[in-house]
Amino acid sequence: GIQVEQSPPDLILQEGANSTLRCNFSDSVNNLQWFHQNPWGQLINLFYIPSGTKQNGRLSATTVATERYSLLYISSSQTTDSGVYFCAVVPSNTGNQFYFGTGTSLTVIP
Amino acid sequence: DVKVTQSSRYLVKRTGEKVFLECVQDMDHENMFWYRQDPGLGLRLIYFSYDVKMKEKGDIPEGYSVSREKKERFSLILESASTNQTSMYLCASSYRFYGYTFGSGTRLTVV
Repeated sequence: GIQVEQSPPDLILQEGANSTLRCNFSDSVNNLQWFHQNPWGQLINLFYIPSGTKQNGRLSATTVATERYSLLYISSSQTTDSGVYFCAVVPSNTGNQFYFGTGTSLTVIP
Repeated sequence: DVKVTQSSRYLVKRTGEKVFLECVQDMDHENMFWYRQDPGLGLRLIYFSYDVKMKEKGDIPEGYSVSREKKERFSLILESASTNQTSMYLCASSYRFYGYTFGSGTRLTVV
């Protein structure tokens, strides 16, 4: 099956710093989403981004489908950004379920 | 906003018990999913359903079954709970594959 790799696995930032999270996937996809899981376990959908670039406040994401990667940018990080960020993809050849990466655990310290 | 509600936040069950985890969504979504989340393994799909009375196996269906008698409700059943089924269980729903919405999770401990 498709492999979804996220890097870095862990990240510690000072409040106000910027960061880039990466998601590599091994096959072509027709859907890609980024999720944030807060410290209480709730998963929130951040972006639906199978290709191109989107921005939502301090967060933005870019997917280059032809090169099989996606990036999530967090600017001016806040302590509320802490948690685990997951990338999930739907392979083009199956198209029936999401495959999740193992996540990037982000801690923002004041 | 779509709401996905899981019936229990924390659950402790004994080995061999039959366990029901309930999930209800309020937005008329066709698709519903059950995942389990374990440290270092990410989220793994157990079962999903495209419509009432339809179900498809995910990557790790062994030891689990599901029921979808009504569109808004998707139940996960552990026929005979075992300690290796101790995990966080997450339910999700979606319209096609857009706007994937998760419940807040059920942390199940089997003793």
